[in-house]
Amino acid sequence: GAVVSQHPSRVICKSGTSVKIECRSLDFQATTMFWYRQFPKQSLMLMATSNEGSKATYEQGVEKDKFLINHASLTLSTLTVTSAHPEDSSFYICSAYDRGPNGYTFGSGTRLTVV
Amino acid sequence: AQRVTQPEKLLSVFKGAPVELKCNYSYSGSPELFWYVQYSRQRLQLLLRHISRESIKGFTADLNKGETSFHLKKPFAQEEDSAMYYCALSRLASGTYKYIFGTGTRLKVLA
Repeated sequence: GAVVSQHPSRVICKSGTSVKIECRSLDFQATTMFWYRQFPKQSLMLMATSNEGSKATYEQGVEKDKFLINHASLTLSTLTVTSAHPEDSSFYICSAYDRGPNGYTFGSGTRLTVV
Repeated sequence: AQRVTQPEKLLSVFKGAPVELKCNYSYSGSPELFWYVQYSRQRLQLLLRHISRESIKGFTADLNKGETSFHLKKPFAQEEDSAMYYCALSRLASGTYKYIFGTGTRLKVLA
């Protein structure tokens, strides 16, 4: 079945640095990928829609300059958290639509801790 | 406003007992609803969608437009059903289908 690989699974960074998270569709092409954020014991909140070859579409309240999204190929989208602060610490999850019976496939998530 | 509500954060049942995980939605259009499950230390995965009207792992869910509900049911819970369950609604926005997730219900099946 369709697999979405997300890397890294866990990252710790210092305040002020930037962190890049990768989301790859392994056996299918994804023109659209989605980035979610999940706080402890809360639901997944859609941050942005990543569109291959064009600008990402951000949800209301999400800072575009803070969370940079690049979708340069049909199998890779990246989320870069710039100038990270402790409040950016969260679980980030990507998903992609594979047109198969499962519809949207999710990555395993990235736990970001900013110290 | 478009919203998915799962009123129970935690539901504990004994093995063999019936299970019902509640989900209510608010959506002005024709909704497409899903249930996702997340087992411990695993990624989110699709359990079932209302348009397929199928039963997966003994779970079923019926869309009730009158009550705007999509409750997940299983007649006899198993210990391996213990997981986090999310109800989601797919909405069309800017030409793309996007999910709105509920806050999730943790199901604990006790031996």
